[in-house]
Amino acid sequence: KNQVEQSPQSLIILEGKNCTLQCNYTVSPFSNLRWYKQDTGRGPVSLTIMTFSENTKSNGRYTATLDADTKQSSLHITASQLSDSASYICVVKVPRGAGNMLTFGGGTRLMVKP
Amino acid sequence: DVKVTQSSRYLVKRTGEKVFLECVQDMDHENMFWYRQDPGLGLRLIYFSYDVKMKEKGDIPEGYSVSREKKERFSLILESASTNQTSMYLCASSVGGRDGYTFGSGTRLTVV
Repeated sequence: KNQVEQSPQSLIILEGKNCTLQCNYTVSPFSNLRWYKQDTGRGPVSLTIMTFSENTKSNGRYTATLDADTKQSSLHITASQLSDSASYICVVKVPRGAGNMLTFGGGTRLMVKP
Repeated sequence: DVKVTQSSRYLVKRTGEKVFLECVQDMDHENMFWYRQDPGLGLRLIYFSYDVKMKEKGDIPEGYSVSREKKERFSLILESASTNQTSMYLCASSVGGRDGYTFGSGTRLTVV
């Protein structure tokens, strides 16, 4: 079972609408939680990074929230644009051996339609 | 900006061939990683390296090996390619002890 679960797997919204993507994780302890955006055929690009003590972090129209008690995070996209069409990946950084490793969720594929 | 460059965007190889995937980063990062990405499974770590000539197994190292002879270059080797190694391969690098990971654009490998 994946330690980082995302929902929904895919989502279609109209341009200009808001949406919220969910991430539930079971890994513990963790160093931080990140949201990445991955355009088709490209590598992931970081949107936000939050430590366990942070509740919310914004990057333009993207706002991530984190509830460390319930082990849930969400990514809210405001006033969606066509360029927001991509996969959004929730990633938890966990201690591993001498360093830290990233544990990836399966991603949510978002399509924004005009 | 840090740049992580993967030498091929698309690659088609035959079963049994030896395959080399190359990754180069230009910002003197200590850490480099190879992941594969499959639908519904997310990114899975194959191998990583904390320094030149150092390598450690990730979660799915079977069927793969790596080489890091120079700090800027991290190679992934498929000794004898199989069809179940058809996937998107992503390289990443990061500064030791820091949070910024930078990914390459990926290599989509098809083994026929």
